[in-house]
Amino acid sequence: KQEVTQIPAALSVPEGENLVLNCSFTDSAIYNLQWFRQDPGKGLTSLLLIQSSQREQTSGRLNASLDKSSGRSTLYIAASQPGDSATYLCAVQAAGNMLTFGGGTRLMVKP
Amino acid sequence: GAVVSQHPSRVICKSGTSVKIECRSLDFQATTMFWYRQFPKQSLMLMATSNEGSKATYEQGVEKDKFLINHASLTLSTLTVTSAHPEDSSFYICSASGGLWTEAFFGQGTRLTVV
Repeated sequence: KQEVTQIPAALSVPEGENLVLNCSFTDSAIYNLQWFRQDPGKGLTSLLLIQSSQREQTSGRLNASLDKSSGRSTLYIAASQPGDSATYLCAVQAAGNMLTFGGGTRLMVKP
Repeated sequence: GAVVSQHPSRVICKSGTSVKIECRSLDFQATTMFWYRQFPKQSLMLMATSNEGSKATYEQGVEKDKFLINHASLTLSTLTVTSAHPEDSSFYICSASGGLWTEAFFGQGTRLTVV
């Protein structure tokens, strides 16, 4: 059974810091890995999707890497801003389209 | 963690028929439920947000008359795909939340194939 773990569970940083969110998964037989953002009371917003054949994806200040063999992904946020405060979720998609989500990292960026 | 049950996990239907997907929170009261859709090789996209007892809020580009969402109780939300067509074939997933800043729990997803 696939298990996805995100570390840390919560993170509070001052504005401007570069930060790294970690995601690990136990079964490397995945089709893709996705990073999402969730604001309070809102649905998920897709940030980045990495296919299993890819190593990384970039969008603006966000960079996500994938090391499928070791079961790890990182989300790098450069020059963090208060507007980045949210919960960040990673999810892996495997056979049968089953999505398995991590528990999320709650990020607070202080002005 | 809390459990969200989504049913059915897989459904095949004929073009022109309607399909109902259920999303139940089994051990908590879900004040808010979210419905997502995922096309092949694309990321999950939010379709609509529903709060118990209120009309759902649909994302831009999602037809509210085609994707009927009902959230009549704190433990059940349904998505009905009306007059389904092959282009509606997709993976649909729901999530449920007990309120602001509480964790959202996800259903297992439903693979809809319209033939």
